[in-house]
Amino acid sequence: AQSVSQHNHHVILSEAASLELGCNYSYGGTVNLFWYVQYPGQHLQLLLKYFSGDPLVKGIKGFEAEFIKSKFSFNLRKPSVQWSDTAEYFCAVIMNRDDKIIFGKGTRLHILP
Amino acid sequence: KAGVTQTPRYLIKTRGQQVTLSCSPISGHRSVSWYQQTPGQGLQFLFEYFSETQRNKGNFPGRFSGRQFSNSRSEMNVSTLELGDSALYLCASSSGEGLTEAFFGQGTRLTVV
Repeated sequence: AQSVSQHNHHVILSEAASLELGCNYSYGGTVNLFWYVQYPGQHLQLLLKYFSGDPLVKGIKGFEAEFIKSKFSFNLRKPSVQWSDTAEYFCAVIMNRDDKIIFGKGTRLHILP
Repeated sequence: KAGVTQTPRYLIKTRGQQVTLSCSPISGHRSVSWYQQTPGQGLQFLFEYFSETQRNKGNFPGRFSGRQFSNSRSEMNVSTLELGDSALYLCASSSGEGLTEAFFGQGTRLTVV
């Protein structure tokens, strides 16, 4: 079955640490990839997306993600996190052109001031 | 441009009752998707409506149903509520044409007691 896996359920980092959140999907065809963020008490917002082209995607707030097709991965990175990055992060994938979007279970990120 | 609006924001119901949740998509968007978010299962896709027709459906029992009106507003109904239906129900709208991102509402927090 098609699925999206986020291996880190809960991550705790200190400010200025580097961040990498993993996302893998199970599908061999064309995909479209998203990272969403949900800050405490707020609604889901799009961080970045990949449809085609350069596999290194820049998003808002200094986040970036790299699509590695051979590894079925779309990991989210940020070189230096801030306390305000405390939130839950969701990887999402559309695995067929008109198919539904499938979300990972989310990674809860807690940044220590 | 107004965002996705979900009403009500909070709801408390007792087991066995039914509930109707409402979602108004972004103006011009024709696709509305519904998700259930729980700490244990994460974000799970319920169904998607496009131009008043259900286009996709997740793996939820028949107690969960929805509909979409000609103005693209959508309602979701859950009958014979169970304690396990307690969750944040999110609505997302998109243009629905090909590959597009989804814009989420703030959700309706349903508590079943």
